[in-house]
Amino acid sequence: GNSVTQMEGPVTLSEEAFLTINCTYTATGYPSLFWYVQYPGEGLQLLLKATKADDKGSNKGFEATYRKETTSFHLEKGSVQVSDSAVYFCALMDGSARQLTFGSGTQLTVLP
Amino acid sequence: EAGVTQSPTHLIKTRGQQATLRCSPISGHTSVYWYQQALGLGLQFLLWYDEGEERNRGNFPPRFSGRQFPNYSSELNVNALELEDSALYLCASSSDRGRNSPLHFGNGTRLTVT
Repeated sequence: GNSVTQMEGPVTLSEEAFLTINCTYTATGYPSLFWYVQYPGEGLQLLLKATKADDKGSNKGFEATYRKETTSFHLEKGSVQVSDSAVYFCALMDGSARQLTFGSGTQLTVLP
Repeated sequence: EAGVTQSPTHLIKTRGQQATLRCSPISGHTSVYWYQQALGLGLQFLLWYDEGEERNRGNFPPRFSGRQFPNYSSELNVNALELEDSALYLCASSSDRGRNSPLHFGNGTRLTVT
């Protein structure tokens, strides 16, 4: 079956620090990959996506590259802000079942 | 463009009762999905509706059911509520069934079962 593994949190960084959140996946097919973000008290917001190998998704300074050879989709940002504090979820969608498989989420706290 | 809207925001029920949660998708979206986010269990897929039909179902008992209306809005019904049904229920919509079409989520309904 499909699965997504994220680095465990919580992660605490100072403002302007570099961020990496690791994500690896197992899929039976050829999935599309997503990063979602959840701010306190809210639902999930799509942050970025990639649909094929070597695709780079980017949004709001965040980037992730679809690496088929390492089955990874690590999230990076060069300089985090306090407003980036949230929970980040890596997810995959595979096949016609239209079912997202999520990682367990990584809590990020950015201190001023 | 209005996003996915869910109602109510919070719902408190007692064990054994029924709960009804509602979702309106983004205008033009025909697919609606339901997910459960329970403490310690993460995000789990519940149901997918498209064009009024149930297309896929997650590993949940039959007391979790729903439907999609002709205007593409959806209801999730949970019968015979149990304490472990307490969770945030998220609805999402997408514009089509394509594998690249992302899901857009609402802010959820917080269900508390006492």
